[in-house]
Amino acid sequence: GAVVSQHPSWVICKSGTSVKIECRSLDFQATTMFWYRQFPKQSLMLMATSNEGSKATYEQGVEKDKFLINHASLTLSTLTVTSAHPEDSSFYICSAGTSVDNEQFFGPGTRLTVL
Amino acid sequence: GDSVTQMEGPVTLSEEAFLTINCTYTATGYPSLFWYVQYPGEGLQLLLKATKADDKGSNKGFEATYRKETTSFHLEKGSVQVSDSAVYFCALSDGSTSYGKLTFGQGTILTVHP
Repeated sequence: GAVVSQHPSWVICKSGTSVKIECRSLDFQATTMFWYRQFPKQSLMLMATSNEGSKATYEQGVEKDKFLINHASLTLSTLTVTSAHPEDSSFYICSAGTSVDNEQFFGPGTRLTVL
Repeated sequence: GDSVTQMEGPVTLSEEAFLTINCTYTATGYPSLFWYVQYPGEGLQLLLKATKADDKGSNKGFEATYRKETTSFHLEKGSVQVSDSAVYFCALSDGSTSYGKLTFGQGTILTVHP
């Protein structure tokens, strides 16, 4: 149980285009989803926290207009990188959790490369 | 702000060797501490946790003790197996659970050879 999937697992796009990454909780309903970003050989950095049906809460320094997060249902959250640039290339990881389990369950990540 | 520092990897060991991965932290208050493991192609999985000073978390032969005096949470295993090859992340939370904002270390790659 407690499986979280991400789609796609990797994506390559041209500079200036937008990319959407999906995060799904497959066997449970997630009241909260978290989005992280990881640079090579660096730690995961929390970008934003989203609760179903509410606007996401972004960490300091994360551009909310650049990284659009939608948590429309208890099993799906999406991260859209708008007008992507090469510096947005990174590994994006989502996690999902409930206050019942008091734990986050992580997806396998999405590798984004912007050319 | 809060931060976590892990020993740099990669760490390469032979099967049945003793493993230590160092982790130290900086935090205000009394954080909870976690070790996560990430196997190839999979998401991070909670390996063990400790929520207060002197607590010892343990799972699958791995152990880590919450040392407030040295602000450390080193991961140890007495005899590693090839199947332990993975990336290990130390993390802290300002709450008593991992359901909230987590601050991660940079991860340590462990490779175990037969």
